[in-house]
Amino acid sequence: GENVEQHPSTLSVQEGDSAVIKCTYSDSASNYFPWYKQELGKRPQLIIDIRSNVGEKKDQRIAVTLNKTAKHFSLHITETQPEDSAVYFCAASIPNTGFQKLVFGTGTRLLVSP
Amino acid sequence: AAGVIQSPRHLIKEKRETATLKCYPIPRHDTVYWYQQGPGQDPQFLISFYEKMQSDKGSIPDRFSAQQFSDYHSELNMSSLELGDSALYFCASSLFTGEGSNSPLHFGNGTRLTVT
Repeated sequence: GENVEQHPSTLSVQEGDSAVIKCTYSDSASNYFPWYKQELGKRPQLIIDIRSNVGEKKDQRIAVTLNKTAKHFSLHITETQPEDSAVYFCAASIPNTGFQKLVFGTGTRLLVSP
Repeated sequence: AAGVIQSPRHLIKEKRETATLKCYPIPRHDTVYWYQQGPGQDPQFLISFYEKMQSDKGSIPDRFSAQQFSDYHSELNMSSLELGDSALYFCASSLFTGEGSNSPLHFGNGTRLTVT
């Protein structure tokens, strides 16, 4: 089955710096890659996603890149702010008769210091 | 915009008791997913339903069962609870858009189950 690896497990940056989180997946059939932000005790919130027919997607300070050949995708956050501090999960979805079964990475705890 | 509604928010049960968690998807969403998240862990897929039929199954114990009703809400039934079942249980919903894809998953606020 699908396996998603995520690095780093923790990331500390200064406010204003950029943060990059990387994920690799194992199943070449995966075609949808969302990123979720989760604050302590709260629900995962979708922040950006990308489908396999696109190499890059950007939404303000957040961007995601996908390399299908290498089977890896990355989250880029620019001009980080303290409120960006949270756990970020990448995920990969294997098509299964059209339904999404998300396999999550192990999470990256991002800490943005003022 | 309406979100996924889960109830209860918190639930405390003793070992060997049963628990029922409820999930009301975003209006018009026809697919419901259940995830279990232990402390410091990533969410683990349990089971999903589309149009009241089970669409996929993950690491759901045999002690657990779930169903989706005609109004698309779903319930996760957990029996013979064990200490290790203590976790956050999230429900997510999406809309099947055909052609092998769904709309993005949106999660509810979760139910925190504590088994003592």
